[in-house]
Amino acid sequence: NAGVTQTPKFQVLKTGQSMTLQCAQDMNHEYMSWYRQDPGMGLRLIHYSVGAGITDQGEVPNGYNVSRSTTEDFPLRLLSAAPSQTSVYFCASTPWGKGLETQYFGPGTRLLVL
Amino acid sequence: GENVEQHPSTLSVQEGDSAVIKCTYSDSASNYFPWYKQELGKRPQLIIDIRSNVGEKKDQRIAVTLNKTAKHFSLHITETQPEDSAVYFCAASNTGNQFYFGTGTSLTVIP
Repeated sequence: NAGVTQTPKFQVLKTGQSMTLQCAQDMNHEYMSWYRQDPGMGLRLIHYSVGAGITDQGEVPNGYNVSRSTTEDFPLRLLSAAPSQTSVYFCASTPWGKGLETQYFGPGTRLLVL
Repeated sequence: GENVEQHPSTLSVQEGDSAVIKCTYSDSASNYFPWYKQELGKRPQLIIDIRSNVGEKKDQRIAVTLNKTAKHFSLHITETQPEDSAVYFCAASNTGNQFYFGTGTSLTVIP
């Protein structure tokens, strides 16, 4: 198993540009989530999904969109990037619904918005 | 929503000494408390977790204690080694849907 994979590893955007951060998992986990990590602020939940076709907002959803068309993939879209979205983004998956909440994180995407 | 506070933000210990990191939470409905270790440039990785029906859990040199009445839980690392140097995060969840993280503790183990 590859576990949780994320692409790209690093990205530079200009203000106003759009992009999609990709996340995929091959563990058949129902729950997937996106976090951003900023210095001194820990990890903050952006959006999450408890299964294909179901998404919900987390703590800091503004400026981000998600969709979940398959169990494996959970892309995060930035429609109009802003410097405040400069951060490290982590995707995670969990075998939710089975009494197990252990999260498995992807390697992260480092995003710089100029 | 839940609010998780973590202390201290930085911690330095001599190799072989113990390290303790403490977290408090605000939502009495929270029932799952994981701890993650993150090395520089790497992803967070679960090192131990505890559920609200358990007061203490131990895994070799790592232990976690939970006090539901006081709404706090702690990570204890004994016989610290240089490879324990990393940032440690606590988290709390009440449904398994949303996880709220502390702000992290940077642990340095001095050889």
